[in-house]
Amino acid sequence: KAGVTQTPRYLIKTRGQQVTLSCSPISGHRSVSWYQQTPGQGLQFLFEYFSETQRNKGNFPGRFSGRQFSNSRSEMNVSTLELGDSALYLCASRTGSGANVLTFGAGSRLTVL
Amino acid sequence: DQQVKQNSPSLSVQEGRISILNCDYTNSMFDYFLWYKKYPAEGPTFLISISSIKDKNEDGRFTVFLNKSAKHLSLHIVPSQPGDSAVYFCAADFTSGTYKYIFGTGTRLKVLA
Repeated sequence: KAGVTQTPRYLIKTRGQQVTLSCSPISGHRSVSWYQQTPGQGLQFLFEYFSETQRNKGNFPGRFSGRQFSNSRSEMNVSTLELGDSALYLCASRTGSGANVLTFGAGSRLTVL
Repeated sequence: DQQVKQNSPSLSVQEGRISILNCDYTNSMFDYFLWYKKYPAEGPTFLISISSIKDKNEDGRFTVFLNKSAKHLSLHIVPSQPGDSAVYFCAADFTSGTYKYIFGTGTRLKVLA
């Protein structure tokens, strides 16, 4: 069974640009969550999608957005990039039917210059 | 407001000895706790979990203890092996449906050969 796949793995952007990250969950998993990891801050919850609907959202500005497609694949977008957006963005999936354990992808490392 | 805290950013242990990683939480409504391990350039991988109805859960070399009155959990690794060297994150969840984990900031474990 393939794991959670995130693309791209690494990317460099400049301030003011926007970026789109992609996540393909484990087959059969309908819930996709996104987390931001920065040094000293652990993993911060961004949002969670289930069946194309956002079920929960963390405390991030509106520049951070996401969506989920009918095949459960998800994308997150960050507009008007700031230096502080440099981080590892992690996607995780689970079945969504009461199971609590998230399976994470390897992440997309974003550097904003 | 850091609801889940890992106060030790790093820990070094000799191979074969016990590693004890600690985690404190502030919200007594959390009812499910997990430990994840993260190697560099990889996503976090699930290690072990515990429900609030239990005070101990064991899986091979890994045991998690939960002290609800103290709002404290710990992960014991016995015996520690060099391959256990990684960053360990504890996470808390609500099974009633907020669909997000609250992570601690992580503890970097180094097992010395």
